[in-house]
Amino acid sequence: EVQQLESGGSLVQPGGSLRLSCAASGFTFSTYAMSWVRQAPGKGLECISAISGSGSTTYYADSVKGRFTISRDNSKNTLFLQMNSLRAEDTAVYYCAKTLYGGHSDWGQGSLVTVSS
Amino acid sequence: QSALTQPRSVSGSPGQSVTISCTGTRSDVGGYNYVSWCQQHPGKAPKLMIFDVSRRPSGVPDRFSGSKSGNTASLTISGLQAEDEADYYCCSYAGSYTWVFGGGTKLTVL
Repeated sequence: EVQQLESGGSLVQPGGSLRLSCAASGFTFSTYAMSWVRQAPGKGLECISAISGSGSTTYYADSVKGRFTISRDNSKNTLFLQMNSLRAEDTAVYYCAKTLYGGHSDWGQGSLVTVSS
Repeated sequence: QSALTQPRSVSGSPGQSVTISCTGTRSDVGGYNYVSWCQQHPGKAPKLMIFDVSRRPSGVPDRFSGSKSGNTASLTISGLQAEDEADYYCCSYAGSYTWVFGGGTKLTVL
């Protein structure tokens, strides 16, 4: 069974940093691209970052470019999102998703990040 | 990348069919056969219902179908059931390792 378990979300002050993790199991992690998709309260889904299976290719939405860094450790089947210079508008549930060109096939349960003073 | 355009809400009675549209551009929906649809119940994670425009993952009922014409993709749900009431999001690959979502459609089963 494919599973992804996010962790690391919490309350953080504006300008602070946070690192999210996503532990994956049930599939050959290194052969799949992975994405971070966030959902602000009451809003829709936004794909903010993606990384290829090898880690050699990455993507960032303009809203997070220069502040967030996606990475992966294929030896530990884990995806990461380092978030710096956090803003109130980054408040959201962050999902990790196993990613194919044709869709995001499996989703974690989400990790809540709240940016507030 | 701009979000894909979906109707904010649709509704139908049990047993009826509904169709949700998703309009993009030649750079996303029209340029790739990589459109997907996710279902999201309140407080839950999204669930993939359709990928590659019209393919269903294992376990998704065949009441759910997808199609595409030009820059517009569509999700059709036939034989509506109460448990289909949820938010539905389309998503398209847009090249250069980018994916763009629609704004979401709230389906109400009357």
